[in-house]
Amino acid sequence: EDQVTQSPEALRLQEGESSSLNCSYTVSGLRGLFWYRQDPGKGPEFLFTLYSAGEEKEKERLKATLTKKESFLHITAPKPEDSATYLCAVQAGNTDKLIFGTGTRLQVFP
Amino acid sequence: EAGVAQSPRYKIIEKRQSVAFWCNPISGHATLYWYQQILGQGPKLLIQFQNNGVVDDSQLPKDRFSAERLKGVDSTLKIQPAKLEDSAVYLCASSLVGGFENIQYFGAGTRLSVL
Repeated sequence: EDQVTQSPEALRLQEGESSSLNCSYTVSGLRGLFWYRQDPGKGPEFLFTLYSAGEEKEKERLKATLTKKESFLHITAPKPEDSATYLCAVQAGNTDKLIFGTGTRLQVFP
Repeated sequence: EAGVAQSPRYKIIEKRQSVAFWCNPISGHATLYWYQQILGQGPKLLIQFQNNGVVDDSQLPKDRFSAERLKGVDSTLKIQPAKLEDSAVYLCASSLVGGFENIQYFGAGTRLSVL
């Protein structure tokens, strides 16, 4: 069964304190791995898509990387406005559905 | 560009009542999805439409849930009768097409509380 596991469940950082979020997956035929940001009371907001091992993408303070078993979302010098839940999802096989992990709730304190 | 529109934003009902949610996707997006997000979990796909047709409804509880997408644009999701465990946020998403390099854009969701 296709599965996505995110860790840690929650992460508290001081402003400027860099860290990484992990997304490990077990799927048959990975087509793409997606990172979304979700703020309270809002829908997921698309951040990145990664398609093959070794691929990296960056956006402001965020950098996503992909291996054959996991993805990391690196946050460099975070700011309080980076506080949100970060969701990882995979597309696999011949379906378009996204299989989500349970997310990492990030809090950045000034 | 306008995003995915959903209404209502919140709904509170008693168990065994019925409820309906509405979604208007991004203009030009052929594929529409309904996801259920229970508190503390990631979204789970309920149903996927490509234009008017259903592509995947394998995880839709068909004894109580139904969905339609008339004219390939707007969509409604209905629950009848509702159960306590249906309390969740119902998210609508859309994408240009299905398949490779398909990015799904989400609406703000409808938060349903079943009492």
